[in-house]
Amino acid sequence: DTEVTQTPKHLVMGMTNKKSLKCEQHMGHRAMYWYKQKAKKPPELMFVYSYEKLSINESVPSRFSPECPNSSLLNLHLHALQPEDSALYLCASSQPGQGAVGYTFGSGTRLTVV
Amino acid sequence: DQQVKQNSPSLSVQEGRISILNCDYTNSMFDYFLWYKKYPAEGPTFLISISSIKDKNEDGRFTVFLNKSAKHLSLHIVPSQPGDSAVYFCAASLMDSNYQLIWGAGTKLIIKP
Repeated sequence: DTEVTQTPKHLVMGMTNKKSLKCEQHMGHRAMYWYKQKAKKPPELMFVYSYEKLSINESVPSRFSPECPNSSLLNLHLHALQPEDSALYLCASSQPGQGAVGYTFGSGTRLTVV
Repeated sequence: DQQVKQNSPSLSVQEGRISILNCDYTNSMFDYFLWYKKYPAEGPTFLISISSIKDKNEDGRFTVFLNKSAKHLSLHIVPSQPGDSAVYFCAASLMDSNYQLIWGAGTKLIIKP
């Protein structure tokens, strides 16, 4: 299995809703990432988990809350989002220390906040 | 400070010809350079990488060249095919930052039939 699976593929939520994005990989990767990507921009790093521990939080607002229940799963809990949070949210995984092979990305969740 | 730059927002190439995508960087300490391809509404797909100790890496139709003195790398695609139409991102990484990726802004490649 060489994929990163993200669910749901599309999500529309109101500003008072609580929702979660899910990510799963079975490649044995021990680093997992959340990225946010706006149209015509490169991916923007949000969080990094290394060996199931949060190692990087790129000053992301607290309305985004990551969770790594185990080495295969990564969640992003969303609460009280703003319309400007609408974007493609990408999950990625990699093996720590393997700089040459890059990350494996999921297909993303297209989030629209109304 | 943008450490990885892709100065061409878009590039149009005839099918069958060579596509050359360029990338410049400012940090001479980068350990790896990577190219990703992205279709709309999908995640980026890893294409090819090169170590900073190499000057060329080839994989099928894709070749990446690294010129360390000029802090410049390029991705050559030959021959270009319609399926190559996508946004191409150049990225760089440092071992000291656990290979966290630093991205360029991307170049949209359009292959004309």
